[in-house]
Amino acid sequence: DIVMTQSPDSLAVSLGERATINCKSSHSVLSSSNNKNYLAWYQQKPGQPPKLLVSWASTRESGVPDRFSGSGSGTDFTLTISSLQAEDVAVYYCQQYSSLPLTFGQGTKLEIK
Amino acid sequence: QVQLQESGPGLVRPSETLSLTCIVSGSSIDNYFWTWIRQPPGKGLEWIGYIYSSGTTVYSPSLRSRVTISIDMSKSQFSLQLTSVAATDTAVYYCVRQRRYNWNYDSFDHWGQGTLVTVSS
Repeated sequence: DIVMTQSPDSLAVSLGERATINCKSSHSVLSSSNNKNYLAWYQQKPGQPPKLLVSWASTRESGVPDRFSGSGSGTDFTLTISSLQAEDVAVYYCQQYSSLPLTFGQGTKLEIK
Repeated sequence: QVQLQESGPGLVRPSETLSLTCIVSGSSIDNYFWTWIRQPPGKGLEWIGYIYSSGTTVYSPSLRSRVTISIDMSKSQFSLQLTSVAATDTAVYYCVRQRRYNWNYDSFDHWGQGTLVTVSS
């Protein structure tokens, strides 16, 4: 199984400041056949299902604000929120879809400082 | 728009079978992986398995001996059965659409609201 490890477990950032969440996979999720990273990021607000923010490590979904960006390749990935807004308070998960079983990181709780 | 809606009992007795159904609207059933994911209270996300529109199923190794996912294309719905449940199966269960990229997997793009299933006597 590919183990996904996020850091930190929780994070407090001031409004308007940058928030950075890291995700490390135990095996590379980069495909040599198409050079794509099989890595997604989700946002889960209290009482709601997760929402897909980013796929293929860096492709923002339609309707997702451009303050959210994903980067990284191979085994190391980052989700960055460039200017934190109050509505961004949530738990964020990374997930690999490179190989079965499909696995998620443990989640990073983002709060306002 | 795409909508998924879970339904089923909110309470299941230990050792019995958990059964949930997900009704899909606004999406073709074809060419997607129809997935179940669960989340114990206050914890992270666990992939249970999927059924493809062709009827092919794949399950998590940790649950494979107890899980069955089926699909009814005519009703645009798919179902989850989990046998011999215990308290550790208490969770919010989500039905989810997973995209397909060529012959590979893609991300989970649409989620149901989730339904809490509690295993207790």
